[in-house]
Amino acid sequence: GESVGLHLPTLSVQEGDNSIINCAYSNSASDYFIWYKQESGKGPQFIIDIRSNMDKRQGQRVTVLLNKTVKHLSLQIAATQPGDSAVYFCAEAYGGSQGNLIFGKGTKLSVKP
Amino acid sequence: ETGVTQSPTHLIKTRGQQVTLRCSSQSGHNTVSWYQQALGQGPQFIFQYYREEENGRGNFPPRFSGLQFPNYSSELNVNALELDDSALYLCASSPRLAGGVGEQFFGPGTRLTVL
Repeated sequence: GESVGLHLPTLSVQEGDNSIINCAYSNSASDYFIWYKQESGKGPQFIIDIRSNMDKRQGQRVTVLLNKTVKHLSLQIAATQPGDSAVYFCAEAYGGSQGNLIFGKGTKLSVKP
Repeated sequence: ETGVTQSPTHLIKTRGQQVTLRCSSQSGHNTVSWYQQALGQGPQFIFQYYREEENGRGNFPPRFSGLQFPNYSSELNVNALELDDSALYLCASSPRLAGGVGEQFFGPGTRLTVL
């Protein structure tokens, strides 16, 4: 696998603030993108997804933005809560399905009460 | 809770040994994918099984193999273990939809340590 350091990028925010987590994806042919949340000792949990024919999608307290020109994805979390503290991964897939997910390196979100 | 279960939760092996990890998929899901997650990294796709056959494989050597059973549960086998195989192994189950594989639901993983 790819060689990366053990230290994840970390984003530290105050409870109640908005959080923005960024991700650069690798494959210009990818047409489906997903954000996952992974808490310590657990598997990744689906948050929100977006297809390449959209540039924005909103869920409950979360918004995903897709910029295909620069191959960039972002996750915005409104009114961040302590329970949002986790590692967040973006993942990409192509062919209109999730058959083979390619995960990014992850960002650790730390919410200060 | 996703309904995907994995066993064992933790496992310690020595170099050269063989290991089998197990996964029970969520009810109604017929596709199972396996991922390896090294410490501090994102999960990496190993392979996927659908209808008891391998249906896609990532950049992993042949000593990583799998099975899927008629009840859609799955096994991951790793032969000739190496130190670098130490990782969290994740199983994800998903339904097969008309447009392809649906959302993947992950289990809690098996933590493998190779000494």
